Amino acid sequence: GENVEQHPSTLSVQEGDSAVIKCTYSDSASNYFPWYKQELGKRPQLIIDIRSNVGEKKDQRIAVTLNKTAKHFSLHITETQPEDSAVYFCAAREFGNEKLTFGTGTRLTIIP
Amino acid sequence: DGGITQSPKYLFRKEGQNVTLSCEQNLNHDAMYWYRQDPGQGLRLIYYSQIVNDFQKGDIAEGYSVSREKKESFPLTVTSAQKNPTAFYLCASSRGSQVELFFGSGTQLSVL
Repeated sequence: GENVEQHPSTLSVQEGDSAVIKCTYSDSASNYFPWYKQELGKRPQLIIDIRSNVGEKKDQRIAVTLNKTAKHFSLHITETQPEDSAVYFCAAREFGNEKLTFGTGTRLTIIP
Repeated sequence: DGGITQSPKYLFRKEGQNVTLSCEQNLNHDAMYWYRQDPGQGLRLIYYSQIVNDFQKGDIAEGYSVSREKKESFPLTVTSAQKNPTAFYLCASSRGSQVELFFGSGTQLSVL
């Protein structure tokens, strides 16, 4: 089955700087890669996703890049703000399979 | 909290007792999921269901059981066979395999 590894487990950045979270996956058949944000005490929510036919996707300050050859994908947050503080989860899903496998999460702290 | 509702918010289990966590959705989603969240371990899939009267084991199904008698409902029973049940349990639903998961607000299960 799919295995998703996520690094780092914790990340602290100064407000205004950029943050990068990286994930690797094991199953080359996976073709859907979402990122979820979970604020303290709240449910996870989708912030961005990418499909395997695309190398990069941006949404304002958030971007995700995908390298299918190396089987890794990354979340980039620019101009970080205090409200970006949360736990971020990457995930991967194999085509035709409903099962979504999550990484272990990254706790991002933005230092004012 | 519209869309997908979990209850109760907090639940306590006594030794040898089975307990059932409720999950209801009014999003008309076909797929429903149960995840377990432990600190530092991300979200691990317990069971998932793609259609009424059908469900599949996830990565950590031992000690758990589910049913899917109605499209809207996917209850999870934590049996006495689950020796380490203390965790935060999240239910989710989705329209299909390549689209967003909508999560409930979760149930915190603790052992007395």
